[in-house]
Amino acid sequence: DADVTQTPRNRITKTGKRIMLECSQTKGHDRMYWYRQDPGLGLRLIYYSFDVKDINKGEISDGYSVSRQAQAKFSLSLESAIPNQTALYFCATSDSSFSGNTIYFGEGSWLTVV
Amino acid sequence: KNEVEQSPQNLTAQEGEFITINCSYSVGISALHWLQQHPGGGIVSLFMLSSGKKKHGRLIATINIQEKHSSLHITASHPRDSAVYICAVKTGAGSYQLTFGKGTKLSVIP
Repeated sequence: DADVTQTPRNRITKTGKRIMLECSQTKGHDRMYWYRQDPGLGLRLIYYSFDVKDINKGEISDGYSVSRQAQAKFSLSLESAIPNQTALYFCATSDSSFSGNTIYFGEGSWLTVV
Repeated sequence: KNEVEQSPQNLTAQEGEFITINCSYSVGISALHWLQQHPGGGIVSLFMLSSGKKKHGRLIATINIQEKHSSLHITASHPRDSAVYICAVKTGAGSYQLTFGKGTKLSVIP
């Protein structure tokens, strides 16, 4: 099994629809993240969570919400999707050791909003 | 704001060539990651560096903290090395926020 699993891998949705991207990890890590990737731009952080009760906005959180259902699960929702949310979305996880972190990414979820 | 610049943006090499990808950043960091993004989209962490040099197989990563610069080298390049290579820096020791470069697209031709 993959360390970080994202579902769905691909989704086309209509403007105004609610869409949820789900993420689960088997690393036992505290920290989970949602990023989006757009052509010609670096990955940008949407939300991050350091444990089940600690959720924080990233640099581009407007239009998104998240839920940390368990240590292993972190979902991203678009309450009312708009076309400029078309992007490749990544979930990631890392541990909380200050001696250094390796970050593990999911395979990505391609979302198209039409 | 920390800026992360990678060069070149695109690189085409013949199989067997030695490849260097560069990353420069503008503020102090606590660690730097090199990531590989496969053509299908998935991202894999190759290295995390806070000083010096690391080697894994044909890949070598170096960092010069004083010059705010890191390089990723690939020796004896192979078509399977074709991917986008992304540099990302961690600026806060107490948190885990990364700033990403835009990536270098590498194509290795047989």
